Amino acid sequence: DVKVTQSSRYLVKRTGEKVFLECVQDMDHENMFWYRQDPGLGLRLIYFSYDVKMKEKGDIPEGYSVSREKKERFSLILESASTNQTSMYLCASSWTGRSYEQYFGPGTRLTVT
Amino acid sequence: GENVEQHPSTLSVQEGDSAVIKCTYSDSASNYFPWYKQELGKRPQLIIDIRSNVGEKKDQRIAVTLNKTAKHFSLHITETQPEDSAVYFCAASKRAGQNFVFGPGTRLSVLP
Repeated sequence: DVKVTQSSRYLVKRTGEKVFLECVQDMDHENMFWYRQDPGLGLRLIYFSYDVKMKEKGDIPEGYSVSREKKERFSLILESASTNQTSMYLCASSWTGRSYEQYFGPGTRLTVT
Repeated sequence: GENVEQHPSTLSVQEGDSAVIKCTYSDSASNYFPWYKQELGKRPQLIIDIRSNVGEKKDQRIAVTLNKTAKHFSLHITETQPEDSAVYFCAASKRAGQNFVFGPGTRLSVLP
């Protein structure tokens, strides 16, 4: 059974703080993704990674960076949190070639005050 | 880049009726179209998908149809039940492992 976990379900940070969101998957997936979910906008891709130490910008990368030092772990970093980054953040992972399906984590609801 | 539109944004049906959600995509190179269901407070989960070499796929009460020429695909749920109430997202992708472009979602409410 595929398991994707995220470090926190709820997080409250202050404007200007550096924020780390962690995602871990246990299925040896090559691909990992970070999405942001806002009402009426669906899931928007922030960054994704096809391999260790590899990253690609998604549709809304501004204000975010990522790190993938190990295959199972993909971190999203908010260098200086702002109130417009208050949102639900979802991590996902998938295989390459074997299946198209993306498996999602439970999400982290981040509030920036 | 790819753009996926989804309609309606909200849909209410009586229990036992059918529900249809429609999506259009812009990139003719897209060849994989999944549908995800997200119940309140839970993670999105794949419920059905279709590849571009297939026109229709069915899984019990759920079916998806694809019209490649018109670049649109639809989710059909028959005999709806209260547990079908959720937000449904369509998406498009070009190949396995590639990132998805999601539609904005449809909130389906099945009224008892």
